[in-house]
Amino acid sequence: RKEVEQDPGPFNVPEGATVAFNCTYSNSASQSFFWYRQDCRKEPKLLMSVYSSGNEDGRFTAQLNRASQYISLLIRDSKLSDSATYLCVVGVFGNEKLTFGTGTRLTIIP
Amino acid sequence: GAVVSQHPSRVICKSGTSVKIECRSLDFQATTMFWYRQFPKQSLMLMATSNEGSKATYEQGVEKDKFLINHASLTLSTLTVTSAHPEDSSFYICSAIQIAGESYEQYFGPGTRLTVT
Repeated sequence: RKEVEQDPGPFNVPEGATVAFNCTYSNSASQSFFWYRQDCRKEPKLLMSVYSSGNEDGRFTAQLNRASQYISLLIRDSKLSDSATYLCVVGVFGNEKLTFGTGTRLTIIP
Repeated sequence: GAVVSQHPSRVICKSGTSVKIECRSLDFQATTMFWYRQFPKQSLMLMATSNEGSKATYEQGVEKDKFLINHASLTLSTLTVTSAHPEDSSFYICSAIQIAGESYEQYFGPGTRLTVT
């Protein structure tokens, strides 16, 4: 079983729609959770950290469910510029190494 | 946010040659840097952890004699791919940790695309 699993997609979503991704992780000792965005042939960029209480940043909402060991990302009112690959990333407390999921590819359609 | 640079951004070399990639943290000091490799349509795979002033820690399956890492200062880590072969062609990305109190953020360099012919 992969340490971090994501549905690779692709998700093709009309502009303005709401889209949600889930990610599961296998290491119960994981303490740090992030969503990164990666554009084609570019480096990953931090989208948001994910906290136990859940957090929201504009159109983006991240949730963490420790009991079920999954993380979610919700994008509301999607824009064309949201088209990218979204990477679920997990870290273990006290160890800065991060484990990346394979990413979920999102395309927003005009 | 913090900035991490990589050089070169793209390199094409012949099989058997060695290639050096530099990773620099431009506005902060990084005692720890990471080197990743990403093949097309795959996830980032951690190759090694680069520690300033000490030997790098390699992930399982990564040959330390082939991928030489030197972290000589708090702002510079280098990865040298020795005797490169076509199967080493990949996107190499470094990252650096910036610690702020009890939390940290990992910033990525723009990556180096290596093509071995």
